[in-house]
Amino acid sequence: QAGLTQPPSVSKGLRQTATLTCTGNSNNVGDQGAAWLQQQQGHPPKLLSYRDHNRPSGISERLSASRSGNTASLTITGLQPEDEADYYCSAWDSSLSAWVFGGGTKLTVL
Amino acid sequence: QVQLVQSGAEVKEPGASVKVSCKTSGYTFTAHFMHWVRQAPGQGLEWMGMLNPADGGAGHPQKFQGRVTMTRDTSTRTVYMELSSLTSEDTAVYYCTRESNSFDYWGQGTLVTVSS
Repeated sequence: QAGLTQPPSVSKGLRQTATLTCTGNSNNVGDQGAAWLQQQQGHPPKLLSYRDHNRPSGISERLSASRSGNTASLTITGLQPEDEADYYCSAWDSSLSAWVFGGGTKLTVL
Repeated sequence: QVQLVQSGAEVKEPGASVKVSCKTSGYTFTAHFMHWVRQAPGQGLEWMGMLNPADGGAGHPQKFQGRVTMTRDTSTRTVYMELSSLTSEDTAVYYCTRESNSFDYWGQGTLVTVSS
């Protein structure tokens, strides 16, 4: 099934800002919006944001999500060592009647 | 609090079937769809399908047509995912995840290894 497109890796320095992107089309990200998940090594994914910009309770305010057209973005400010993880976007695809994921972005904090 | 507790790791031979369970607690079982997502070693997330615990209705992508069965037991608040005709490409960690504003709670994962 068609997926969403994410850059494989992003590297930023401690306390810097990282912006991760997720590109879909008008049937998924552009229609239903996107969610972002964080996965630490050896752990299940954790929901960071949903429907483009909503943050579940307990998620740091250093994280913010947005969308422009068919591209969703996750911005993490003041990078900390614990932000080093894999980040996935997901969306419901109305043409496929399926949930789709991005391939994931590995964020490295230098 | 919401908890999803999955069954333990499995080792299966090619051609066999595996059934993974996901026992839930801490919320109204029938109020949220349950999904199954898998992750092959070193790979990304792959959606396998969803189950409506209220009526047992299920849906899954074409890729798993005829191979995956999702069921539930409302008396024990448990959902099940059975995958048949296993091949080495099915070796992965399988997760159940609750749908509420996307996937808000996840099980701990069940490693299924397919090997002869």
